[in-house]
Amino acid sequence: AQSVTQPDIHITVSEGASLELRCNYSYGATPYLFWYVQSPGQGLQLLLKYFSGDTLVQGIKGFEAEFKRSQSSFNLRKPSVHWSDAAEYFCAVGAGTNAGKSTFGDGTTLTVKP
Amino acid sequence: DGGITQSPKYLFRKEGQNVTLSCEQNLNHDAMYWYRQDPGQGLRLIYYSQIVNDFQKGDIAEGYSVSREKKESFPLTVTSAQKNPTAFYLCASSPRSSGGTGELFFGEGSRLTVL
Repeated sequence: AQSVTQPDIHITVSEGASLELRCNYSYGATPYLFWYVQSPGQGLQLLLKYFSGDTLVQGIKGFEAEFKRSQSSFNLRKPSVHWSDAAEYFCAVGAGTNAGKSTFGDGTTLTVKP
Repeated sequence: DGGITQSPKYLFRKEGQNVTLSCEQNLNHDAMYWYRQDPGQGLRLIYYSQIVNDFQKGDIAEGYSVSREKKESFPLTVTSAQKNPTAFYLCASSPRSSGGTGELFFGEGSRLTVL
């Protein structure tokens, strides 16, 4: 069975500092991996996705993520955080084209200090 | 603009009442989904539908029902049999094609509170 672990429940960073959110997955084949962002009281928005090719993927809002098969990880990074990045971030592993079989992590809440 | 519309955004219900949450999409997506979100937890799949007039149970379908009479619409009914219905409910859709990559497009959610 597929699973996703986001080890950090809550992270606080200062505005302008770099950010890394961790995601570890378990999946029997080549995974489809996603990062979504959720602002309070809102739906989720896709930041980026990986399913093949270059292991470093670029997303929206200046985010990037690196797929490391040997470590079963798909960590999300941003070089300089803005106050508007404060939100909850979800990593998900998908079963190919059947998006409904995606498994989500429990999320990491990001707080940005001025 | 294309997107997913959920209504109402906030809903209050007395115990023992059924309520229906609306989800409409104009993205021409074949597949639609309902998720439940509780504080500090990820999303849990309630029901999903990949074509009109067909749907499957997800991981936590007990106490919920759905219909898919039109491609654009996938309403969710929270029945009185659902023991703990207070939660944030998210509707999503995805294109259903062999070239798809499984990403989900979400509505803005409906918050249900049982009084």
